Amino acid sequence: GAGVSQSPRYKVAKRGQDVALRCDPISGHVSLFWYQQALGQGPEFLTYFQNEAQLDKSGLPSDRFFAERPEGSVSTLKIQRTQQEDSAVYLCASSPARGGQAGIHEQYFGPGTRLTVT
Amino acid sequence: QKEVEQDPGPLSVPEGAIVSLNCTYSNSAFQYFMWYRQYSRKGPELLMYTYSSGNKEDGRFTAQVDKSSKYISLFIRDSQPSDSATYLCAMISNRDDKIIFGKGTRLHILP
Repeated sequence: GAGVSQSPRYKVAKRGQDVALRCDPISGHVSLFWYQQALGQGPEFLTYFQNEAQLDKSGLPSDRFFAERPEGSVSTLKIQRTQQEDSAVYLCASSPARGGQAGIHEQYFGPGTRLTVT
Repeated sequence: QKEVEQDPGPLSVPEGAIVSLNCTYSNSAFQYFMWYRQYSRKGPELLMYTYSSGNKEDGRFTAQVDKSSKYISLFIRDSQPSDSATYLCAMISNRDDKIIFGKGTRLHILP
């Protein structure tokens, strides 16, 4: 079966441009997470969706970052007015478990989108 | 101090050796302890998880959690060149659903 897919795999943006990153989770997975991974670091939590509801956005670094999952499946992470410090790999993960349930630790990651802001 | 500390390496060992990777943490609310493997330009892949304290074995891999010391380990027996990757420890507390990752340790298995 298909895993988590993300597109584009690579994105180069000029400083100040807006970008949109797409995540297609595993079909039927209730929970969806976005993480940011800087070079040489572990992934850092950005935001969490349970179906279409964004239950936690505490990791979004600024109000330039916005995420949505309008129909409870595909999700988009949008970054407005990109800055150089936004350069990182953006990872999406999905889980069949709901928040607070045993099993939420089993998150399946996509390959990531590598964003470079010049 | 970060919630999860992990030596970034790199760690180079000869093929067939036993590899020991470890992390320390500060948040006593962590309940699930995971190890992910990440190959270059790929997403992390869940290798093993342990709930609370104890040991868990899966093939050549053994995960240990010592909650009293806030210390977790991953052992790889009979290491193979294909084990060369970055290994990330990760934890979830009983208060929210965020995975907190260590920095990752880069491991090289030398043929």
